[in-house]
Amino acid sequence: AQSVSQHNHHVILSEAASLELGCNYSYGGTVNLFWYVQYPGQHLQLLLKYFSGDPLVKGIKGFEAEFIKSKFSFNLRKPSVQWSDTAEYFCAVNASYGGATNKLIFGTGTLLAVQP
Amino acid sequence: DSGVTQTPKHLITATGQRVTLRCSPRSGDLSVYWYQQSLDQGLQFLIHYYNGEERAKGNILERFSAQQFPDLHSELNLSSLELGDSALYFCASSSRQGADSPLHFGNGTRLTVT
Repeated sequence: AQSVSQHNHHVILSEAASLELGCNYSYGGTVNLFWYVQYPGQHLQLLLKYFSGDPLVKGIKGFEAEFIKSKFSFNLRKPSVQWSDTAEYFCAVNASYGGATNKLIFGTGTLLAVQP
Repeated sequence: DSGVTQTPKHLITATGQRVTLRCSPRSGDLSVYWYQQSLDQGLQFLIHYYNGEERAKGNILERFSAQQFPDLHSELNLSSLELGDSALYFCASSSRQGADSPLHFGNGTRLTVT
């Protein structure tokens, strides 16, 4: 079965520090990959997505992610975090054959706390 | 605001009871997805409807059922509730059914079973 692993459950950083959140998936075929963010008390929002092409994907709010097919990874990065980045981050994969659905398999999430 | 409306925001009920959660998708969106978020299981896909028809099913319990109505709103029915059903239930909508159509999530319904 498809699965998504996020190795960092809780990350604490100071403002201006660099961020990298790990995400690995288990699926040998074509995948579509996503990072979602959930700010405190708010709904899940799409940060960025990868379907094909350039493996380095840029998203909103200065985030980017790199798809490394050989490592089954899609790590999220930001060069300099801000206090407002405090949130929970979810990696997700859509591995549905035929593309008839966008059902997503989510990782367990990483809670990021940025200290001012 | 994502444009997806879920009601109620909070629901407290007893074991053995039945509840209905409602989701109104963004205007024009044909797809509705239901997810369950719990502390031990994380975010789990339950079911996907597109224009009234079931498109995909996840690990949805037999005690749970869903439907999408002609006006495209959806309801998730949970019956014979157990303590372990306590969770945050999210609805998401998208304009189409495929992977190229981003999901827009509602704020969720928090269900507490006592």
